[in-house]
Amino acid sequence: DAGVIQSPRHEVTEMGQEVTLRCKPISGHNSLFWYRQTMMRGLELLIYFNNNVPIDDSGMPEDRFSAKMPNASFSTLKIQPSEPRDSAVYFCASSLGGGSSYEQYFGPGTRLTVT
Amino acid sequence: SQQGEEDPQALSIQEGENATMNCSYKTSINNLQWYRQNSGRGLVHLILIRSNEREKHSGRLRVTLDTSKKSSSLLITASRAADTASYFCATAPGSGNEKLTFGTGTRLTIIP
Repeated sequence: DAGVIQSPRHEVTEMGQEVTLRCKPISGHNSLFWYRQTMMRGLELLIYFNNNVPIDDSGMPEDRFSAKMPNASFSTLKIQPSEPRDSAVYFCASSLGGGSSYEQYFGPGTRLTVT
Repeated sequence: SQQGEEDPQALSIQEGENATMNCSYKTSINNLQWYRQNSGRGLVHLILIRSNEREKHSGRLRVTLDTSKKSSSLLITASRAADTASYFCATAPGSGNEKLTFGTGTRLTIIP
């Protein structure tokens, strides 16, 4: 298996632009997680899905952030409009089961820079 | 707020020595997990230890869990340069149906 696939690996955009991050989880995994990592705040869970349904989105910073999982093999995280403070590395992870009972497999991350 | 807090924040040792990192947490847990992150990469799962377990081994890794003290330790024996990375503990509260909460990590440097 190729593992969790994220695209793009790097994204540089100007403030106010829309940004879409993409994730393909490991086949057969039914939970998907979006995290954000910064030096100041560490690793934060933004949202997680179980069987394509959002279960906990309490970590989504504000209405500018939205996430979708239209099917078991694809998810997007969208920021609109983007701001410089959104600059971070965004990770997608997947696991066999829901919540925190199973190990999570992380993708390589998308490094987002908003100027 | 972060549930797990690692100690120390940074650790440098000579290759071949053992490295010990600690994690403390505040509330009851279903399980505790350790992850490694190499620079510029995603996190890699190392070990999951459940609340009813006290010790677990995987290769050169040994994890202990003391639920009475709400603490865990990760021991890496016979360290190698390739072990240089950040190590995070992550706690799973309650029933295990809730989200993992990651600590701030220990930055481990192995000096060749």
